[in-house]
Amino acid sequence: DQQVKQNSPSLSVQEGRISILNCDYTNSMFDYFLWYKKYPAEGPTFLISISSIKDKNEDGRFTVFLNKSAKHLSLHIVPSQPGDSAVYFCAAHNNAGNMLTFGGGTRLMVKP
Amino acid sequence: EPEVTQTPSHQVTQMGQEVILRCVPISNHLYFYWYRQILGQKVEFLVSFYNNEISEKSEIFDDQFSVERPDGSNFTLKIRSTKLEDSAMYFCASSRARGTGELFFGEGSRLTVL
Repeated sequence: DQQVKQNSPSLSVQEGRISILNCDYTNSMFDYFLWYKKYPAEGPTFLISISSIKDKNEDGRFTVFLNKSAKHLSLHIVPSQPGDSAVYFCAAHNNAGNMLTFGGGTRLMVKP
Repeated sequence: EPEVTQTPSHQVTQMGQEVILRCVPISNHLYFYWYRQILGQKVEFLVSFYNNEISEKSEIFDDQFSVERPDGSNFTLKIRSTKLEDSAMYFCASSRARGTGELFFGEGSRLTVL
């Protein structure tokens, strides 16, 4: 089941620079997209979301961009901080439900 | 800050044994979920629960699995006869509303089936 894919298993970025995490999806019925962050030995933590009627949502250092025609979304973190080092999961759902389909995750490492 | 709590944090069991994983969702949340993550794989949806009944379930959630809200605070996942492939991290989650996907997850219960 590859409905949500994160093609980069890991990303390394210098502190202060931009981190860009990418996600692709195949199910055109998805209408809500989310990013979750996960530290070791913890559950996923909701970070930011975007509805399919928008193409951008911003919350502080985090911005999510949605390109529906390409079925692609990305998470930008500016500026990146060492505390941002975690695994980031892209997730999606449809039909006003809460059954999330997750991507495989991207491990972000922000170097001081 | 309110949080979802799960017990036990780690359980080791023999194949064929019954296991119950417990969760206390956030108190004013109405929707409850179980997800699991097998080591090295994606986080997968198992089941959602609302108003004392299952509202959605995945193909993984077969007859070996059941969920219950036995009282006003606990939400449990029971695996009747565990198999080796049930070894995973099981995450409980809850949400206030339906349709936003903004779930609050617990720290997980690691199940190891020998």
